[in-house]
Amino acid sequence: DTEVTQTPKHLVMGMTNKKSLKCEQHMGHRAMYWYKQKAKKPPELMFVYSYEKLSINESVPSRFSPECPNSSLLNLHLHALQPEDSALYLCASSQQIDYEQFFGPGTRLTVL
Amino acid sequence: GNSVTQMEGPVTLSEEAFLTINCTYTATGYPSLFWYVQYPGEGLQLLLKATKADDKGSNKGFEATYRKETTSFHLEKGSVQVSDSAVYFCALRLALSNTGNQFYFGTGTSLTVIP
Repeated sequence: DTEVTQTPKHLVMGMTNKKSLKCEQHMGHRAMYWYKQKAKKPPELMFVYSYEKLSINESVPSRFSPECPNSSLLNLHLHALQPEDSALYLCASSQQIDYEQFFGPGTRLTVL
Repeated sequence: GNSVTQMEGPVTLSEEAFLTINCTYTATGYPSLFWYVQYPGEGLQLLLKATKADDKGSNKGFEATYRKETTSFHLEKGSVQVSDSAVYFCALRLALSNTGNQFYFGTGTSLTVIP
């Protein structure tokens, strides 16, 4: 298995909803990442986990809450989002934190 | 600071035309360089990479050479196809002593190939 999977593919939520994005990889990678990508822009790094510990938090608002329950899974919990949070959320993984990253297909999030 | 600069798009080419997408970088230290491709509605896929000066990365007919003297990593393909239509991102990776590694992406260049 050489891919990163993300669910759901699309998500529409209201500003008062609580939802979660999920990411999974079975390549034995020990580093996992969340990126946010707005239309026609490059991905922006949000969080990095290394060996299930949060390694980098790029000053992301607390309405985004990451969780790494085990080495194969990465979640992003969403609460009280704003319309400007609408974007493509990309998950990536790498063998370790200094290695090349493999990206998932992304979750297209729309906040109404 | 560390950054990647890509040529502005969009780029429109006819099938079988020669492609160049310019990428230059600024980095403290010795970065690894990457090209990623993003097809419509999808995530990023690694296209090719080079980890040290004068390395050439190649994949699917695309090539890029890591030029330290000009701090460049231009993407080239001799004959593009309609299926190459996508957004191409140049990126660099630096190993940082305190936070592991950091990726810096360029702004992306949209390529459309017309039959």
